[in-house]
Amino acid sequence: LAKTTQPISMDSYEGQEVNITCSHNNIATNDYITWYQQFPSQGPRFIIQGYKTKVTNEVASLFIPADRKSSTLSLPRVSLSDTAVYYCLVVANTGGFKTIFGAGTRLFVKA
Amino acid sequence: DAGITQSPRYKITETGRQVTLMCHQTWSHSYMFWYRQDLGHGLRLIYYSAAADITDKGEVPDGYVVSRSKTENFPLTLESATRSQTSVYFCASSESRVYGYTFGSGTRLTVV
Repeated sequence: LAKTTQPISMDSYEGQEVNITCSHNNIATNDYITWYQQFPSQGPRFIIQGYKTKVTNEVASLFIPADRKSSTLSLPRVSLSDTAVYYCLVVANTGGFKTIFGAGTRLFVKA
Repeated sequence: DAGITQSPRYKITETGRQVTLMCHQTWSHSYMFWYRQDLGHGLRLIYYSAAADITDKGEVPDGYVVSRSKTENFPLTLESATRSQTSVYFCASSESRVYGYTFGSGTRLTVV
């Protein structure tokens, strides 16, 4: 069963690129990787999802190496409003359905 | 309004009482989920539903009951609330169980 591990916190400055890596060593073939953003007193908000290689949308990129044992969320040119907690989620479809959230990475963007 | 709505936003109840948290979505998503979020445990799946009248246990189902008589509603009931069930509860919905989920704003439940 995939367990996810993320850094507890990260600091950055406005305009920089931020990369947050999540490790999921036991990920199975049919498992998907999703990243969410959460602000205080709000529910998590979907950012991006992938299975392998690279996925890009209007707000982020997701890099997944060939062995899929980790994934990296890349936020280009962060702003103060990107200060939030970022969660990786492995949706496990092997051996029953499970969703494994990481403990979250608290990103603080400074001016 | 379109979206996913949870009610109430805040709830204080006493130990042993039954309490129901409501969740309503307007997209006709097949899948709905209930999570609880606690410091030190992150988000944990309580129950999920693949369609009306189809529900299944998640990681921490004990003490909770769900039903889904209509696609758009997925209430979560604590049959006899305990202090350990003090938490923030999030409902989510999705077209499938692997696609990105849309979460509600949460219900902060305090059991005293």
